[in-house]
Amino acid sequence: GEDVEQSLFLSVREGDSSVINCTYTDSSSTYLYWYKQEPGAGLQLLTYIFSNMDMKQDQRLTVLLNKKDKHLSLRIADTQTGDSAIYFCAESIGGNTPLVFGKGTRLSVIA
Amino acid sequence: DGGITQSPKYLFRKEGQNVTLSCEQNLNHDAMYWYRQDPGQGLRLIYYSQIVNDFQKGDIAEGYSVSREKKESFPLTVTSAQKNPTAFYLCASSTRGEVAKNIQYFGAGTRLSVL
Repeated sequence: GEDVEQSLFLSVREGDSSVINCTYTDSSSTYLYWYKQEPGAGLQLLTYIFSNMDMKQDQRLTVLLNKKDKHLSLRIADTQTGDSAIYFCAESIGGNTPLVFGKGTRLSVIA
Repeated sequence: DGGITQSPKYLFRKEGQNVTLSCEQNLNHDAMYWYRQDPGQGLRLIYYSQIVNDFQKGDIAEGYSVSREKKESFPLTVTSAQKNPTAFYLCASSTRGEVAKNIQYFGAGTRLSVL
């Protein structure tokens, strides 16, 4: 079965790095995604990684994928107060099938 | 601008009433989805549609109904059978293919409350 697990809360100081972790169970996942949700808003795609990649970097964001352990992480460098939000990990087996989302990690950035 | 529009932003339902949430997209996407979000529960799939005139139940379809008569529209009706409808409802769409990478794009959401 499909399941995506994330820790629910993370608190960091402004300027530090944040690392949000996620584990998934479906070995047939083709893409894994990170979405960001600000209060009262929809989800915004931050980045994604194809399952045959180990790492992807996009400005302040670094995604690491350990396919053997089915572990995905999102690192945000130089975390700012504007990064405070809920971050969702999601997996896809491809096509137009629904994504499977984790419950989200609420990131709080302390000034 | 291309995107997904959900309306209304806020909706109130009286006891025993059916209400309909609108979702329209101009991205020419084939698939559309409805999710329900409760605090601490993440996103739960209600219904999805991969093509016009066809849709499938998600994990929590009871008390909800949908239609997909046009590619760009996927309205969700919350019926009186849904006893706990208070939640934030999110609509999304996607299109297939290597380039598209099955990325789902989301609307801004509708917050439904019970009077």
